[in-house]
Amino acid sequence: EAGVVQSPRYKIIEKKQPVAFWCNPISGHNTLYWYRQNLGQGPELLIRYENEEAVDDSQLPKDRFSAERLKGVDSTLKIQPAELGDSAVYLCASSFGSGGPNTEAFFGQGTRLTVV
Amino acid sequence: AQKITQTQPGMFVQEKEAVTLDCTYDTSDQSYGLFWYKQPSSGEMIFLIYQGSYDEQNATEGRYSLNFQKARKSANLVISASQLGDSAMYFCAMREGLREYGNKLVFGAGTILRVKS
Repeated sequence: EAGVVQSPRYKIIEKKQPVAFWCNPISGHNTLYWYRQNLGQGPELLIRYENEEAVDDSQLPKDRFSAERLKGVDSTLKIQPAELGDSAVYLCASSFGSGGPNTEAFFGQGTRLTVV
Repeated sequence: AQKITQTQPGMFVQEKEAVTLDCTYDTSDQSYGLFWYKQPSSGEMIFLIYQGSYDEQNATEGRYSLNFQKARKSANLVISASQLGDSAMYFCAMREGLREYGNKLVFGAGTILRVKS
């Protein structure tokens, strides 16, 4: 069974340019997460979807970040315009079920974004 | 308020020895789950072990065990017989059981482990 797939793996862009990341979760997983991980730190949740509904986007900087999960499967995270401080690894994860405490999240390999 | 605290930024261990990575957490919920993930330099997050708040026994998975002390709100990871391939970043994470917090997995800052030959 394929795991969580993210693309691209690496992206280098100039500041003020737009960038988009794509995530394909594990088949059947209803919950999808986007995390941002700054260098040397733990992942921080940006947005969580249950099916196609964004149920927690309190940490998403809405002035420049947007996300969508059409049809409750694949998801895209966009930054426009990018700033130097957006350089980080963007991790996508998915899980199945109602979100009880034992729900395991499966992570993709991440997209490493460098803004120059 | 910080939910997960990992006080050890970095740890060294000699190959074949055991090592303990510390994790303390903060929650007012009675139902919660604690996870440990490993992140090698390649970047993927690898699930290692899970402990539920109601589990009476400490979780074990091969060379990994979790020293769960509920009253102290600690969930330390013990790696026995360390191997060179264990060198990585290790994250402690918590998921709270209340529906309003449901599905939110909160991570600590991580501990980088280096295994010496």
